[in-house]
Amino acid sequence: GEDVEQSLFLSVREGDSSVINCTYTDSSSTYLYWYKQEPGAGLQLLTYIFSNMDMKQDQRLTVLLNKKDKHLSLRIADTQTGDSAIYFCAESWGGYNKLIFGAGTRLAVHP
Amino acid sequence: DTAVSQTPKYLVTQMGNDKSIKCEQNLGHDTMYWYKQDSKKFLKIMFSYNNKELIINETVPNRFSPKSPDKAHLNLHINSLELGDSAVYFCASSRVLSGAYNEQFFGPGTRLTVL
Repeated sequence: GEDVEQSLFLSVREGDSSVINCTYTDSSSTYLYWYKQEPGAGLQLLTYIFSNMDMKQDQRLTVLLNKKDKHLSLRIADTQTGDSAIYFCAESWGGYNKLIFGAGTRLAVHP
Repeated sequence: DTAVSQTPKYLVTQMGNDKSIKCEQNLGHDTMYWYKQDSKKFLKIMFSYNNKELIINETVPNRFSPKSPDKAHLNLHINSLELGDSAVYFCASSRVLSGAYNEQFFGPGTRLTVL
């Protein structure tokens, strides 16, 4: 069935790295996505990875994909207070129009 | 320049009322969506329209009726509102390119509170 799982909370110190993990179910997902939601706002695409890649780096963001274990992770280097938000992992499901989102990981960055 | 806009931003109403939420996108996208986000931030798709045609219709009570007058607009009408309908409703749009890349652009959300 459709299921994307994430841990709900992560607290890190400013300047440290954050790692947010996600497991998904649809092995045929062509793309996997990370969205960010700031308080009171809609979701914004942060980054994505194509399923034939193992890793994608974009400035402070590193996405790792383990297709065998259906595991996706997002690493944020040098985490800043502005990174405090909810991060959603999403997979495409059963066709390209439908995205299934995880429950979101709330990242809290403290001094 | 707002890409995906929703009105109203807040909606407080009594149980049993009928209300509508409007969504417009100026991105030239051909696909639009409605999502419901509950108090635990869980986000679930409700409907999707592609070129004004309904293509995704999840298990949603038939009190919810989407309407797409044109490709740039997707409205959501809710009849006989119930307490459990209280949530934040997000509209989104995308242009689905070949290869199935589907970046969705979200509106700011409409917080619906049913009393």
